Amino acid sequence: DQQVKQNSPSLSVQEGRISILNCDYTNSMFDYFLWYKKYPAEGPTFLISISSIKDKNEDGRFTVFLNKSAKHLSLHIVPSQPGDSAVYFCAASEGNNQGGKLIFGQGTELSVKP
Amino acid sequence: EAQVTQNPRYLITVTGKKLTVTCSQNMNHEYMSWYRQDPGLGLRQIYYSMNVEVTDKGDVPEGYKVSRKEKRNFPLILESPSPNQTSLYFCASSSWRVAFFGQGTRLTVV
Repeated sequence: DQQVKQNSPSLSVQEGRISILNCDYTNSMFDYFLWYKKYPAEGPTFLISISSIKDKNEDGRFTVFLNKSAKHLSLHIVPSQPGDSAVYFCAASEGNNQGGKLIFGQGTELSVKP
Repeated sequence: EAQVTQNPRYLITVTGKKLTVTCSQNMNHEYMSWYRQDPGLGLRQIYYSMNVEVTDKGDVPEGYKVSRKEKRNFPLILESPSPNQTSLYFCASSSWRVAFFGQGTRLTVV
């Protein structure tokens, strides 16, 4: 059973507009959430994270929002750039696993068109 | 440069022929793990290691082995590969809940 779900396999946006990638989870024990970005033929690279004690974390053009009651998080990219075109994975972890194991969603492929 | 290095990047093998995918990190992280990525399933953890000589199963360990004799190295061993192990494999090392991934090994078992 998929504990972390990204229901949109793909998303296409125009350069300069906002990209919103969504992620839902089912396990209420998750307390740390991450977004990774993956280009073809490369490994995932860490983008941004958020602890469950917060509802928002911002880093430059990237903002992650967490709605614990809805078990939902989202990644906003503003403004979107063609170089942002990649597959984005959300991931979650529980506090009792000594910091290592991540549960990933299926990924959303973002295409930013010039 | 801080990095996780996997080898080989691409591998085609035949069913039943033992193979090893190597992984090395230079960040002195205690926690290392292996994931496989399959279409529609995201990344799933195969095995992990919390320190030297300490390893345990992840979510999809069947058909795999690992060892952790040194802190920096965490090889993945397929004793008798089968076609359902055709996948994209990633090694990762972690620092406080953030995993840093290698570039991946695309394995095809025919």
